[in-house]
Amino acid sequence: DAMVIQNPRYQVTQFGKPVTLSCSQTLNHNVMYWYQQKSSQAPKLLFHYYDKDFNNEADTPDNFQSRRPNTSFCFLDIRSPGLGDAAMYLCATSRIGPQTGDTQYFGPGTRLTVL
Amino acid sequence: AQSVSQHNHHVILSEAASLELGCNYSYGGTVNLFWYVQYPGQHLQLLLKYFSGDPLVKGIKGFEAEFIKSKFSFNLRKPSVQWSDTAEYFCAVNAGNMLTFGGGTRLMVKP
Repeated sequence: DAMVIQNPRYQVTQFGKPVTLSCSQTLNHNVMYWYQQKSSQAPKLLFHYYDKDFNNEADTPDNFQSRRPNTSFCFLDIRSPGLGDAAMYLCATSRIGPQTGDTQYFGPGTRLTVL
Repeated sequence: AQSVSQHNHHVILSEAASLELGCNYSYGGTVNLFWYVQYPGQHLQLLLKYFSGDPLVKGIKGFEAEFIKSKFSFNLRKPSVQWSDTAEYFCAVNAGNMLTFGGGTRLMVKP
């Protein structure tokens, strides 16, 4: 049973063309996260939502934005993708906040290619 | 800022060999520690976690990890690996407001 769903699994976009990745969850968790994982590197947190409260990591580029219209859905918007933004984008959820060390549940990821 | 180091980037073992993957972190305060596994083509899954109490933690599929506070380490072990353990393994540390991952270790188990 899928718990964290990401669509699409593969996304190809052109340099500078805005793209949106989506994530949905059936766990009813309060927190949703977006990570960027480049090839052979660790997942890197971009931002997270605690309910409707948006928390941006200090070094996340302005090019990356997020929306969470309701508990179940969260979107990652890349306004002007560059070649360096090609990566796997992982969505994760947790029941309570990251400061508690709560387990995070990951989706399968969306692999973004920028041409 | 916290950081996590996994010193072995690639490990190749034969089936039935014993496994130990190293994980060291840098953070002086209270931490929560995790090992995640990513099988080929699949999503990250939790193997085990340490919050408090017994520093020897047992997880799924016969894995265990030991938290040694004095060494800032949380090494993953399995006494006898199987071909199906071929995957990438990530150590992660939560200290404060975020989960920080190590660079990962790719394990290949030869049948």
